[in-house]
Amino acid sequence: KAGVTQTPRYLIKTRGQQVTLSCSPISGHRSVSWYQQTPGQGLQFLFEYFSETQRNKGNFPGRFSGRQFSNSRSEMNVSTLELGDSALYLCASSLGGTVAYEQYFGPGTRLTVT
Amino acid sequence: AQRVTQPEKLLSVFKGAPVELKCNYSYSGSPELFWYVQYSRQRLQLLLRHISRESIKGFTADLNKGETSFHLKKPFAQEEDSAMYYCALSGQGGSEKLVFGKGMKLTVNP
Repeated sequence: KAGVTQTPRYLIKTRGQQVTLSCSPISGHRSVSWYQQTPGQGLQFLFEYFSETQRNKGNFPGRFSGRQFSNSRSEMNVSTLELGDSALYLCASSLGGTVAYEQYFGPGTRLTVT
Repeated sequence: AQRVTQPEKLLSVFKGAPVELKCNYSYSGSPELFWYVQYSRQRLQLLLRHISRESIKGFTADLNKGETSFHLKKPFAQEEDSAMYYCALSGQGGSEKLVFGKGMKLTVNP
């Protein structure tokens, strides 16, 4: 079974620009979660989508948004990039449902904002 | 508020020594606790979860609700255990939101 894939793997953007990151979950997984990982703050939850609906949201500004498609693929968008948005963005998929299933993580997208 | 604390950032031991990676949590309910591990140049992956109560790669973790702890233990560390370890918490009711601790780097020396 193919693992979680994320594209692109690396990205360099300029302050003020916007960026879209993509995540393809494991086949059959309906839940996709996004996390931001930085050396200072560690792993922080951004949001979770289940069956095309945002089910949970972390404490990030509205510049961070996401969506999920009918095939469970997900995208996250960051608008008006700031230097502090430089981070590794991880996507994780799971079966989803009424219990907290194991989450399978992708390799991440390394975003650098200059 | 949900919070996970891993008080130590680094732990270095010799092969064969016991290891204990500490994790304390704050949650007003019955959380689900996990340990995730990231080996060098690999993805973050689940090591174990308290619900399954199983031993993975010789590691065990016991949920102590009185002390709000979920420490990870292994009686005899191996070199291949060297990795970053993250304790994580999920709320009850099917929430997929994981709250992670800052992580701890374990180095097992030969």
